[in-house]
This record gives sequence, structure tokens and C-alpha cells, in this order.
Amino acid sequence: ETGVTQSPTHLIKTRGQQVTLRCSSQSGHNTVSWYQQALGQGPQFIFQYYREEENGRGNFPPRFSGLQFPNYSSELNVNALELDDSALYLCASSFGGVGTGELFFGEGSRLTVL
Amino acid sequence: EDQVTQSPEALRLQEGESSSLNCSYTVSGLRGLFWYRQDPGKGPEFLFTLYSAGEEKEKERLKATLTKKESFLHITAPKPEDSATYLCAVQGRSGNTPLVFGKGTRLSVIA
Repeated sequence: ETGVTQSPTHLIKTRGQQVTLRCSSQSGHNTVSWYQQALGQGPQFIFQYYREEENGRGNFPPRFSGLQFPNYSSELNVNALELDDSALYLCASSFGGVGTGELFFGEGSRLTVL
Repeated sequence: EDQVTQSPEALRLQEGESSSLNCSYTVSGLRGLFWYRQDPGKGPEFLFTLYSAGEEKEKERLKATLTKKESFLHITAPKPEDSATYLCAVQGRSGNTPLVFGKGTRLSVIA
């Protein structure tokens, strides 16, 4: 059974650029959620995908968007990067849509915006 | 708005020195309260789910308890490998409610 994998692990971008982060969910899981974790803070919910549809979104602007693919892997896209977007982006998978808080997290993608 | 406050922000213990971490929460109808452990540079790792006041869960040196307003994570005779940040999260009952995390307690256990 493979766990949640994320890529890239680290990346550096400049303000105004666009970034795509990728996540492969744990085998058997059909739900993926994305969280942003700033230094010294807890994870903040960005959005969740269940069976390829977005079914929950946190307080993030539309320049944060995502996709879930038929194999339940997922992408997070961020346009027009701002300095405050620098953070650890965490992907978590689970089974069954909303209802379980038992999430399996990847190791994250560390984004630095200069 | 659901909120989670964890205290203390940081805790330094000697090996074998038992202590407790606190998680205070406000939520409009609790679906569950969750504890996670996070090592530096890694994603959180699930520890426990608690659903109702009075419930307790144990795993090795850790025991989580729940009341109507707070949860405690008790650490008995900690070892250096217990050093990590411990995150508490709540999930409300209404709609597609995601987890709301606290900022965590950074625990250091010194040999």
C-alpha cells in the first residue's frame, strides 16, 4: 500500500508567476484535500475534491484552483503568486468525501515566493 | 466560526517527566476532535479521533481525553522520540465542514 506522495518537495518562484503542485493519493482513497501551512501555524483548509468534483472550499481567493483526476490524484494551481503564498502545501487523502477527519497527509511541497 | 486554541505554544520536558497539552475549542456541533503529530519538515500523522465528551483514547505513552470545551493530550514518561509538534483539529457537523486546526504545541523531550 503506497502512501500519499507530493511533488515537487521544494520550489522557488517569483511574485506574479504560476505554480502547479501534484499529489498522488493513498491507494483506495477517493477524496483529496489541500491545506496551506505557514511557518509556525496550523494547516489551513484550501479545498477538497471527492470523485473529481470540488465539494468544499476554504477562505482562499479564486487564483487557488485544483483538479482531481479519474485515478484520484490531484493538482493544486496557484496563479499570480504573492509573497504571502510562501508556505508548506499539504495534500491529504481519505475515503468517502466529507465525514472523516482521519486524513493521511503527504510530506508537503515547500513553496518560497521571492 | 469554529476555533481551536492550543496551549502551551512550546513545552520542554525532561525524559520521563509526564505532562499534558491542552486544546480548547468552539464549534457549532462537534462531529469529531482529532490529534495529529507533525515532525519537522513532514506532514501531520493521525493519532486519535474523539467524538463525545468523556471519551478517551490511548496509544503507547499518549492518552487523549475530551470534554465539552477542551481536549487534553497526556504524555506519560515521554522519551526523546516523542519530540514533535502536536496539532489538534475539530470538525463540525454542518455540511461539508473541513478540519479546523490549532497552531500546535511544540514538544521537546530532553534526555
